[in-house]
Amino acid sequence: DAGVIQSPRHEVTEMGQEVTLRCKPISGHDYLFWYRQTMMRGLELLIYFNNNVPIDDSGMPEDRFSAKMPNASFSTLKIQPSEPRDSAVYFCASRPGTGIETQYFGPGTRLLVL
Amino acid sequence: GQNIDQPTEMTATEGAIVQINCTYQTSGFNGLFWYQQHAGEAPTFLSYNVLDGLEEKGRFSSFLSRSKGYSYLLLKELQMKDSASYLCAVGRYGNNRLAFGKGNQVVVIP
Repeated sequence: DAGVIQSPRHEVTEMGQEVTLRCKPISGHDYLFWYRQTMMRGLELLIYFNNNVPIDDSGMPEDRFSAKMPNASFSTLKIQPSEPRDSAVYFCASRPGTGIETQYFGPGTRLLVL
Repeated sequence: GQNIDQPTEMTATEGAIVQINCTYQTSGFNGLFWYQQHAGEAPTFLSYNVLDGLEEKGRFSSFLSRSKGYSYLLLKELQMKDSASYLCAVGRYGNNRLAFGKGNQVVVIP
């Protein structure tokens, strides 16, 4: 079975540009999570969805960040405009609605904003 | 809020045993997870404790004391491939909003 799929795997952009990160969760999983990981702050939850509906976006750092989940198999995290301090690894994770509640992480997108 | 503390780095010899500690302060505790993360890769699930006591899974065991806000991960018969960062994560009011520690880097040497 395919795991969580993220694209692109690496992104280098200039300050002020729009960045869109993409995620395809594991088929049948009801929950989708977006995380950001930096050396300074570790792994932080940004937002999560349940059945395509955003449930908790309190971790989104500011209005420059937005996330959508138009259907059960696709989600995007957008940063507009991007800033150098947004440089981080962005992980998407998903989990089923029942059973042990572990989350399965995608390979991550390594974002560098110059 | 929550406060999660993990030591930052430790070195151990192949074949040895290493214990990684995690202390936390939180309200609405719902469970504690351990994840392994190799450099440049995604975190992968190792264990989940919701009740006090020891959970054993092969070479890895995890312990939880809810009254002390304390957990540890025990790695036995260390192998070179165990060199990684080990993250503990606390679930609050349900396990969707996980709060991760910054991880403990374990380096296994021959």
